[in-house]
Amino acid sequence: KQEVTQIPAALSVPEGENLVLNCSFTDSAIYNLQWFRQDPGKGLTSLLLIQSSQREQTSGRLNASLDKSSGRSTLYIAASQPGDSATYLCAENAGNMLTFGGGTRLMVKP
Amino acid sequence: DTGVSQNPRHKITKRGQNVTFRCDPISEHNRLYWYRQTLGQGPEFLTYFQNEAQLEKSRLLSDRFSAERPKGSFSTLEIQRTEQGDSAMYLCASSLVGGASNQPQHFGDGTRLSIL
Repeated sequence: KQEVTQIPAALSVPEGENLVLNCSFTDSAIYNLQWFRQDPGKGLTSLLLIQSSQREQTSGRLNASLDKSSGRSTLYIAASQPGDSATYLCAENAGNMLTFGGGTRLMVKP
Repeated sequence: DTGVSQNPRHKITKRGQNVTFRCDPISEHNRLYWYRQTLGQGPEFLTYFQNEAQLEKSRLLSDRFSAERPKGSFSTLEIQRTEQGDSAMYLCASSLVGGASNQPQHFGDGTRLSIL
């Protein structure tokens, strides 16, 4: 059974800090890994997708890495802002559906 | 591009009633997925369609649940004889799958179901 774990479950940081969110997965035969943002009561917004052949992807202040051999991915957020406050979810695609972690709830304090 | 659209946004109903949700995917996407998300958890896969064919169903999808995508465009998810445990956010996603490309899944805003 595929399992995805996200650590920490919650994180509170002051504005301007750089931070790292962690995601670990058990199935090394993944096609890709996707990071999402979810605001309260809303759906999921796709942030970054890393194909299995890639090591990292960047979009603006976000950088996601993928290490298939260790079953880990990280999402790096540079110069955090209060608007970054949300739940961040990672999901592995090892077949025809996504398997999600439980998410990291991020609070960025002004 | 209008994105993935789900209706209704919220549904409140009494236990035992039937409910139906609708999902309109991004127009050129051939795959459509349904997920369920309970409070504080990540979404869990329910089922997916490639065009009009339902290709996989999770064990979470009991016989009270049925999903259709009759013309390979919009999809409906029906829950019969609702139970308290069905209270959740039901999320729909779509993607374009073909060749060597693994495109991202795009999600709608979900339908929040509350069972009284």
